[in-house]
Amino acid sequence: EVQLVQSGAEVKKPGESLKISCKGSGYNFTTNWLGWVRQMPGKGLEWMGIIYPGDSDTRDSPSFQGHVIISADKSISTAYLQWSSLKASDTAIYYCARVLHIAGGATDHFDYWGQGTLVTVSS
Amino acid sequence: DIQMTQSPSSVSASVGDRVTITCRASQDISSWVAWYQQKPGKAPNLLIYAASVLQSGVPSRFSGSGAGTDFTLTISSLQPEDFGTYYCQQAKSFPLTFGGGTKVEIK
Repeated sequence: EVQLVQSGAEVKKPGESLKISCKGSGYNFTTNWLGWVRQMPGKGLEWMGIIYPGDSDTRDSPSFQGHVIISADKSISTAYLQWSSLKASDTAIYYCARVLHIAGGATDHFDYWGQGTLVTVSS
Repeated sequence: DIQMTQSPSSVSASVGDRVTITCRASQDISSWVAWYQQKPGKAPNLLIYAASVLQSGVPSRFSGSGAGTDFTLTISSLQPEDFGTYYCQQAKSFPLTFGGGTKVEIK
């Protein structure tokens, strides 16, 4: 059974750093792209970026580039999303999601999702 | 960036009704569209990919159609468990983008 299990909720102050995680199981983590999606309170879905854990190749959204870093450790089947300096506007639920692969290759649609990590940034 | 515009933003319908949600892309995206359902407090769930392919395990009352810039998600006979917010997503080019969502309520 494919599972993506994310780390727990976080409460941080502006300016603090944070790294949240997403552990995959039940499939070949190394050869499947994995993405991150933000959902601000009461709002829609925003794509942040994807990573190929096999070689850590990434595709980042310009909207988030320079503010977050997407990384992965294939040895423990875990992907990460990290901030060096949080802002109040980073308050959101962050989802990791596996990219759907079909016979023709990766589709860049997402077939399995983690449960979400709520990040609250407040002074 | 490719903009995805969904309509309506909300719909209220009765059990058994046919519900149609549309998504318009700001440029030709071929068939690179997926549809997701999200229930309150839960992660999104993939319903349709490649515009019209039903994801495994998704009930057959859900269907997708369209190509180019105009796409449709149809629920042929609305069920009580179909409440939630529906999103389209394009995968033609980076950055990947989602529509603004359509909230479906059961009357």
